[in-house]
Amino acid sequence: EAQVTQNPRYLITVTGKKLTVTCSQNMNHEYMSWYRQDPGLGLRQIYYSMNVEVTDKGDVPEGYKVSRKEKRNFPLILESPSPNQTSLYFCASSLYTGGSGGANVLTFGAGSRLTVL
Amino acid sequence: AQTVTQSQPEMSVQEAETVTLSCTYDTSESNYYLFWYKQPPSRQMILVIRQEAYKQQNATENRFSVNFQKAAKSFSLKISDSQLGDTAMYFCAYTSGTYKYIFGTGTRLKVLA
Repeated sequence: EAQVTQNPRYLITVTGKKLTVTCSQNMNHEYMSWYRQDPGLGLRQIYYSMNVEVTDKGDVPEGYKVSRKEKRNFPLILESPSPNQTSLYFCASSLYTGGSGGANVLTFGAGSRLTVL
Repeated sequence: AQTVTQSQPEMSVQEAETVTLSCTYDTSESNYYLFWYKQPPSRQMILVIRQEAYKQQNATENRFSVNFQKAAKSFSLKISDSQLGDTAMYFCAYTSGTYKYIFGTGTRLKVLA
C-alpha cells in the first residue's frame, strides 16, 4: 500500500530532551515536507526537501532540523524541545511540486501528537 | 508573499443540504495549484479536490465541486447532498510549484442529522 509512515504517533517529553520524529514513504516521491498544525493557525510548513541531500526552510523552521540522506526517509529532529513546540506534526510527500496530472498532490502521514512539558 | 484565507472558522449544514466553504488567496504568480483537504476526527489529511489555475473549467469530484474565480482570487468548495461523514475540518491550500505549500486556517464543518 502506498503510504507515508511517521513515528511515533504520540509522544510526551520534557524540555531539552532531544527527540526525532521519523517519516518514511514507499512511493519513490522526490518531494517531502514537514508541517505543524496548531488551533487557529492551520498547517504551517517547517522544512521541505526537493530530493536527497537537498532541503530548505519553510515558514517556521526555528528549533527544528531535518536531513534527507535517503530518498524514502525525512526525519524531523528537535534538538532541544520547548513547550511552544507542543503541536500536531505531519509529514507529507509528493512525486514533485509542479506539473499537471496530480503529481504535486501531497500524501500525508497519520500525524504525530507531540507534547513538551 | 502568498497567503491563503479561510474566513469561516465553523459552519454547520443539515444532512442532504448544500454548503459552500470560502477560500481566498493572494499571489502574484500566473500559474499555481489549489487544493481542498479534509481532516476528519481521525486527523488523517485527505485530498478532496485539486484545481490548476491555467484551467478555466472548475474541478468536480462527485458531490464536491469548486467555484474558481481567478481574477477575484477565490476558490470556494461546494458540498452537495451533505452526509454525516462529511463532518470534518477543511483546509484550502496553495502551491505555485516552487516547493512551498501554504494552508489556510481551516473551516470546521459539522453535518447535522
